[in-house]
Amino acid sequence: ETGVTQSPTHLIKTRGQQVTLRCSSQSGHNTVSWYQQALGQGPQFIFQYYREEENGRGNFPPRFSGLQFPNYSSELNVNALELDDSALYLCASSLGGREYEQYFGPGTRLTVT
Amino acid sequence: AQSVSQHNHHVILSEAASLELGCNYSYGGTVNLFWYVQYPGQHLQLLLKYFSGDPLVKGIKGFEAEFIKSKFSFNLRKPSVQWSDTAEYFCAVRRTGANNLFFGTGTRLTVIP
Repeated sequence: ETGVTQSPTHLIKTRGQQVTLRCSSQSGHNTVSWYQQALGQGPQFIFQYYREEENGRGNFPPRFSGLQFPNYSSELNVNALELDDSALYLCASSLGGREYEQYFGPGTRLTVT
Repeated sequence: AQSVSQHNHHVILSEAASLELGCNYSYGGTVNLFWYVQYPGQHLQLLLKYFSGDPLVKGIKGFEAEFIKSKFSFNLRKPSVQWSDTAEYFCAVRRTGANNLFFGTGTRLTVIP
């Protein structure tokens, strides 16, 4: 069973730029959730994708957007990066109907300068 | 607004000491409760979860947690910690029917050999 993978591991961007983070879900999982974990904080829910549609969103502005592909992998896009976007971005996969059993990837560390 | 509180930010224990980490949540409806652990350099892993039934839940690696509905609490316990338990511990709550988890800010546990 292949676990959740994320790429890249680390990323450094400049304020105002755009970034795309990628996630491959665990084998057999069709739901992907994205979380932002700022330093010293717990993960905060950004949004979830199920069958290529957004299926719930947290309190994040529209410049945070996502996609899910037919193979259930997913992208998180952030436009107009701000310094406060610096964080660890976590992807979690689950099976539709069992969203409570979320399996997390290692995360992408984004630094905005 | 729903919130999850972990009052202990950093706990330092000697090996064989007993552990109790506090978790309180503010949501009044039916919830599912989770404890996740993040070992140094590793991804978030599920320790244990509570959905219904016996309020005393046993998880992996000798951890257990007790759900006390009247206190809105779900404290994590372990009778005798080991050096390998050094990690960050996150309490999380899911409202029944919701897609996402609400996480606390985490408690860093350091176990001294």
